[in-house]
Amino acid sequence: RKEVEQDPGPFNVPEGATVAFNCTYSNSASQSFFWYRQDCRKEPKLLMSVYSSGNEDGRFTAQLNRASQYISLLIRDSKLSDSATYLCVADSGNTGKLIFGQGTTLQVKP
Amino acid sequence: DADVTQTPRNRITKTGKRIMLECSQTKGHDRMYWYRQDPGLGLRLIYYSFDVKDINKGEISDGYSVSRQAQAKFSLSLESAIPNQTALYFCATSDLQKSDTQYFGPGTRLTVL
Repeated sequence: RKEVEQDPGPFNVPEGATVAFNCTYSNSASQSFFWYRQDCRKEPKLLMSVYSSGNEDGRFTAQLNRASQYISLLIRDSKLSDSATYLCVADSGNTGKLIFGQGTTLQVKP
Repeated sequence: DADVTQTPRNRITKTGKRIMLECSQTKGHDRMYWYRQDPGLGLRLIYYSFDVKDINKGEISDGYSVSRQAQAKFSLSLESAIPNQTALYFCATSDLQKSDTQYFGPGTRLTVL
């Protein structure tokens, strides 16, 4: 079983749609969680950190459920420019290492 | 200027050749990492270093070695390249004092024929 699991998709949605990605992690010692965005053949870039209380950044909302070891990312009012791969990331229990999910691909269509 | 740079950006080589990929950073971070990315497998950690005197193996270190020449420089070597080392390689840095967030270089696309 992978330490961080995501549905690889692809998710194909029309502009303006709301789309949600889910992710599970297996290491109960994980403390830090992130969503990274990766455009085709480019480096991953931090989209947002994920906090227990949930956090919002514009059209993006991230939620963490520690009891279920579950992380989510909600994108509202999708734009063409949101098309990318979204990587769910958890730390490996205070080791300084991060574990990356394989990514979920989003394609926003006109 | 980019905070994390990698050279070369693209490289084609032959089986058995020794290859060095270089990473430099101007972020002043102590921690540096090397990953490879393959389609369907995501990012996998090869080696990481928490300071100049600290080198650790990641999950897929076989066939690779590293050198931390300075706080700002971390090199990855393939001693004798083989075709299944064809991949996209990323260097990353992080600052212990500011959470586990990692910042990535632009990547090196390596092809081993």
